[in-house]
Amino acid sequence: EVQLVESGGGLVKPGGSLRLSCVVSGFTFSTYSMNWVRQAPGKGLEWVSSISHSNSYIYYADSVKGRFTISRDNAKNSLYLQMNSLRAEDTAVYYCVRDHSFAFDVWGQGTMVTVSS
Amino acid sequence: AIQLTQSPSSLSASVGDRVTITCRASQGISTTLAWYQQKPGKPPKLLIYDASSLESGVPSRFSGSGSGTDFTLTISSLQPEDFATYYCQQFNSFPITFGPGTKVDI
Repeated sequence: EVQLVESGGGLVKPGGSLRLSCVVSGFTFSTYSMNWVRQAPGKGLEWVSSISHSNSYIYYADSVKGRFTISRDNAKNSLYLQMNSLRAEDTAVYYCVRDHSFAFDVWGQGTMVTVSS
Repeated sequence: AIQLTQSPSSLSASVGDRVTITCRASQGISTTLAWYQQKPGKPPKLLIYDASSLESGVPSRFSGSGSGTDFTLTISSLQPEDFATYYCQQFNSFPITFGPGTKVDI
C-alpha cells in the first residue's frame, strides 16, 4: 500500500523554526518528484515547494522563498521541509504529495503547523 | 504566475443532477491541468489529470475536458458522496497554482 506519513508539526512562535518530515512506503521513492502543499484553516490549497527525484530541480512559492528549504533522502525514503522565520500566515496543514505525470496522485494526511505567540 | 479562476465558487445541487464546474487559466496551459476533490478534514483526491484522463479508481461519472485556457469538470449524475469542494491545478509552469475551489452542496 502506498503511504505518505507526515510529522513534525506543532505550535511555534513567530520567528521560530520547524522541520517537517514525510516518510513514504509502498513505492520506489527515488523515482518520483515530491512536493509540499499547504492549506490554511478554511482556505484553499497552496503549493509550497517541489523537488525532483534526483534533486536536479527545486522550486519554491514566492511566499516561502528564502525561508523554507525542501530536501530528500532517497536512502531513507524521506522528504523534508525546513521552515525558518515562521509567520502567522504560515499556519496551515502541510501535506506531503507525490508527483506523477503532471498530477499530484498520492497525498499524506497532513501535519498541522500553528504559528502563534 | 499563471492564475486559475473557477466558477461558480459554490453551487447547490441534488442527487442525480448533472454538475459542471469551469476553470479558466490566465494564459494557455495546453492540457496540463488536474482536478481534485476534497472532503472536510481529508486530503485532496486526484480525479482527472492531463485535463481529461480519469485517474484509476475514480467513477466514470466524472469527466474533464478542455485545453488552452478553458477547462470543465463534469459530474454526470451527482451522488451523495460527491458533495465536496473541487479544485483545479495547473502544471504548465512553476509556480504550480490551484484554483480557489468550488463547493458543491445540497
